[in-house]
Amino acid sequence: EVVLTQSPATLSLSPGERATLSCRASESVVKYLAWYQQKPGQAPRLLIYDASNRATGIPARFSGSGSGTDFTLTISSLEPEDFAVYYCQQRYQWPPITFGQGTRLEIK
Amino acid sequence: EVQLVESGGGLVQPGGSLRLSCAASGFTFRSYWMNWVRQAPGKGLEWVANINGDGSDKRFVDSVKGRFIISRDNAKSSLYLQMNSLRAEDTALYYCARGRPTMDILLDDWGQGTLVTVSS
Repeated sequence: EVVLTQSPATLSLSPGERATLSCRASESVVKYLAWYQQKPGQAPRLLIYDASNRATGIPARFSGSGSGTDFTLTISSLEPEDFAVYYCQQRYQWPPITFGQGTRLEIK
Repeated sequence: EVQLVESGGGLVQPGGSLRLSCAASGFTFRSYWMNWVRQAPGKGLEWVANINGDGSDKRFVDSVKGRFIISRDNAKSSLYLQMNSLRAEDTALYYCARGRPTMDILLDDWGQGTLVTVSS
């Protein structure tokens, strides 16, 4: 099973700042890493797939990078609606599909 | 517009059974892999199972193998999860999530979830 480890667990930033979230895989997942956003009381939403491709309707301030075992989600300038929990997910070796434990992005 | 509406959750005793349903609309249901993903209260996401478009390929996380059954009825655009021998650790919000027509497991659309509580 591929284990995904996200860091930091919590990130405290202000609107307008840049956010950098990390996801590390226990073994290579090549480029098959996705990012989801989940707001309180809502279902997750797909943001990024295959490491760097934005899903339909996702603003350009969200970007992804990385390959192999190390991946990054960057939010260039935080908007108030971006404060949420973010999960990474791999689909290279499955079953099982695995998720990271999440990074909570909170307002400073 | 894609819509996924889960139902069937509730309170069940350990060892009991429950059947979850997911009614889908807004897309060609029979063409897509469909998934169940759960989230224990205050915890992260855990993929549970999925099934391909014609129902011939089914995959499970190890912790539910032999206890959960996934199925679909393409004529009714519905996905099901039969959960048997339920344990306290199965307590979670269960989401139905649409994948893709291929085996690329990206979860493009999600329902709002149905809550399963396993407790005596």
